[in-house]
Amino acid sequence: LAKTTQPISMDSYEGQEVNITCSHNNIATNDYITWYQQFPSQGPRFIIQGYKTKVTNEVASLFIPADRKSSTLSLPRVSLSDTAVYYCLVGDMNTGFQKLVFGTGTRLLVSP
Amino acid sequence: GAGVSQSPRYKVAKRGQDVALRCDPISGHVSLFWYQQALGQGPEFLTYFQNEAQLDKSGLPSDRFFAERPEGSVSTLKIQRTQQEDSAVYLCASSLAKGQPWDEQYFGPGTRLTVT
Repeated sequence: LAKTTQPISMDSYEGQEVNITCSHNNIATNDYITWYQQFPSQGPRFIIQGYKTKVTNEVASLFIPADRKSSTLSLPRVSLSDTAVYYCLVGDMNTGFQKLVFGTGTRLLVSP
Repeated sequence: GAGVSQSPRYKVAKRGQDVALRCDPISGHVSLFWYQQALGQGPEFLTYFQNEAQLDKSGLPSDRFFAERPEGSVSTLKIQRTQQEDSAVYLCASSLAKGQPWDEQYFGPGTRLTVT
């Protein structure tokens, strides 16, 4: 599984757009990129997943450049409730099961 | 519908005691996972079940850890002779997938185990 590197922490204010970049230089051809969100005292929650270019859902957007060596999770107009830890994961889409490998994640703090 | 539930939410055990942690996955979910999360760290994979079959237990840290899912639904993670280093949050996750790649995993709230 490709190793990922992301900032340890980020600070933002309500209403701003937040972009969290994840580096995965050794990503393989069959690897997908997935982001999970974790609030205190809760289990992680799936946010978004992509393979290339751009993916958007009701929560976030995921930007993946052509070389796929990095990806950026974009949270539009964050609110206080977006304060959480965000994990970037990379894994082989062809594995028989999804053995998620989490790093330490990025702690996002949104202030008023 | 109901999500993944875990019980107890908090467990305090004295060193050397045995503990059993329960996970109720989402009904109909084939795959079930256990993770261990130390304070300030991301979750780490422990073991995986597909229905009642334990297909991977490579993440179990020692032979004191044992997991089962006898009827392919509820799962129990048992830790024998608990040690202080076992203190962590134990997360359970389930997914609908059966061998499908990167299907979304749904996590429970976790059981916080404190060994004193």
